[in-house]
Amino acid sequence: GQQLNQSPQSMFIQEGEDVSMNCTSSSIFNTWLWYKQDPGEGPVLLIALYKAGELTSNGRLTAQFGITRKDSFLNISASIPSDVGIYFCAGLGVPGYSSASKIIFGSGTRLSIRP
Amino acid sequence: NAGVTQTPKFQVLKTGQSMTLQCAQDMNHEYMSWYRQDPGMGLRLIHYSVGAGITDQGEVPNGYNVSRSTTEDFPLRLLSAAPSQTSVYFCASSYKAGFSYNSPLHFGNGTRLTVT
Repeated sequence: GQQLNQSPQSMFIQEGEDVSMNCTSSSIFNTWLWYKQDPGEGPVLLIALYKAGELTSNGRLTAQFGITRKDSFLNISASIPSDVGIYFCAGLGVPGYSSASKIIFGSGTRLSIRP
Repeated sequence: NAGVTQTPKFQVLKTGQSMTLQCAQDMNHEYMSWYRQDPGMGLRLIHYSVGAGITDQGEVPNGYNVSRSTTEDFPLRLLSAAPSQTSVYFCASSYKAGFSYNSPLHFGNGTRLTVT
């Protein structure tokens, strides 16, 4: 089945530093998504990417949909304490295939910040 | 709107017991799904439904059953619980299958299940 490899698994950085994480897959995806999960809650959507090569920003967050459609990255600039949490990439399969209705998630990147 | 409501929040079962995890949404969403979250494994899709009366398997369907008799409800059944099913379970829904900013995936707050 489809798998998403997300790295790094965890990050422990200084407040104010920039953060970068990425996701790769052996299969192509039609849509790439980035979610954040706070403790005790369900994931919340941060950014959605629809086209290969697309670069999208949401405040201090920037994400890109890889040209090959098999990868994506998320950058967070000037990290602050509320950025702490688990970040997930997710992919939606290609229309016409059985994967089209399935959103598959990566294993997550746990971000911790030193004040 | 309450959004996606999951009950119970916590549950402890003994091996072999059965139970149903409830999920309800009041947003008239067509698409509903169940994920389990395990440390280092992310969220793995168990079953999903693109509308009332239609269900399909995800990545890890074994040991779980679902049904979708109404648009609002999508219960997940464990017929004979096993320790390997200890996990946090999330229900999620969206207006349509597929994805868009007008139809993002809304998650409930999870059910933490322990099987001893």
